[in-house]
Amino acid sequence: AQKVTQAQTEISVVEKEDVTLDCVYETRDTTYYLFWYKQPPSGELVFLIRRNSFDEQNEISGRYSWNFQKSTSSFNFTITASQVVDSAVYFCALLYNNNDMRFGAGTRLTVKP
Amino acid sequence: GAGVSQSPRYKVAKRGQDVALRCDPISGHVSLFWYQQALGQGPEFLTYFQNEAQLDKSGLPSDRFFAERPEGSVSTLKIQRTQQEDSAVYLCASSPRIAGGYTFGSGTRLTVV
Repeated sequence: AQKVTQAQTEISVVEKEDVTLDCVYETRDTTYYLFWYKQPPSGELVFLIRRNSFDEQNEISGRYSWNFQKSTSSFNFTITASQVVDSAVYFCALLYNNNDMRFGAGTRLTVKP
Repeated sequence: GAGVSQSPRYKVAKRGQDVALRCDPISGHVSLFWYQQALGQGPEFLTYFQNEAQLDKSGLPSDRFFAERPEGSVSTLKIQRTQQEDSAVYLCASSPRIAGGYTFGSGTRLTVV
């Protein structure tokens, strides 16, 4: 089965705290892609990162970092020094068969001032 | 245009009414996707086009749902005889290539009363 699990439904932190959003995936495919998207209240899904299954190198982009571990089928997302503008729903997604993308249920992050 | 444009932004339909939702992808993007996002859930795949060819429609929930992209650019998702369970946000995404970082539109929020 192809599946994405985001166990954290909601997270609330105070500004400047670090926060990690968990993502666990299941797939039988050896070639696949993992994504993170941000969905602010406006509703548009904003692309954050894409990682292919052969590239386990972790990535840092400003305050964002991603930890991909095939051994545990996880692709976690950390925001360092969170800001109020980071408040949104974050989705992890798995792309396989080149066009079939499965999303997790999302994690609602609230950053309080 | 600069992004994926969807119209209308909001649609209220009476049960049994037919609706048509429009998606203008980014110019030149060959891949186009439709997703359905119920309240509090992650997007669910509906259908996929590569240029004008509908390569996958396995996610369409019933034969009341129909999508087309006749000239390989603008796409229309049509729902016939709408039911209350059709109420959701319908998201369109486009990509310049297979397994690319999709760009999503802001969605059409359909409410069936």
